[in-house]
Amino acid sequence: GAGVSQSPSNKVTEKGKDVELRCDPISGHTALYWYRQSLGQGLEFLIYFQGNSAPDKSGLPSDRFSAERTGGSVSTLTIQRTQQEDSAVYLCASSLNEKLFFGSGTQLSVL
Amino acid sequence: SQQGEEDPQALSIQEGENATMNCSYKTSINNLQWYRQNSGRGLVHLILIRSNEREKHSGRLRVTLDTSKKSSSLLITASRAADTASYFCATDLSYNTDKLIFGTGTRLQVFP
Repeated sequence: GAGVSQSPSNKVTEKGKDVELRCDPISGHTALYWYRQSLGQGLEFLIYFQGNSAPDKSGLPSDRFSAERTGGSVSTLTIQRTQQEDSAVYLCASSLNEKLFFGSGTQLSVL
Repeated sequence: SQQGEEDPQALSIQEGENATMNCSYKTSINNLQWYRQNSGRGLVHLILIRSNEREKHSGRLRVTLDTSKKSSSLLITASRAADTASYFCATDLSYNTDKLIFGTGTRLQVFP
């Protein structure tokens, strides 16, 4: 596709449920990032994939969060046993060099 | 934790005025980037300045970098209502150039 695609654009879930967020990066981009943004706040780094290297998971806030990137392309961010504090916009970005291209994000609301 | 912090947190100006936003960071970097965000969703890359550069221009944007003070500024000249957005600086870390850390952002409001 022309840009980074994220789905769903909005997700409402109940506390304790698991959710999966998907990111389709720009074709050919080797790097993929996940960030989280709470209302009115900056971007919080979550995880970074680069090619076939081991991902940098240093930003994941707890072991309820995990992410994978299959075939060096599509990535899925999974949040298990969601909590209300997980409510935020989850942004995915991909890049070939230093410049990041962002998707429109997934607004996650945990009730 | 945040690598960069923008100042001010919010800025309101009239169309035609210049807007200046500042970014401070904590550790050595290879480059610093500025991004713009409309409506709390996807960010758009504006400009990148490398650690060996002191100033860079792109259209109405002017970015400066002072590595001795670990700070950068973004100047938008002759602002327009369409410039209303949040602006973020982002830095890599010189020991881990692949991870881009974003600052806290400046919310700019330009009144017509």
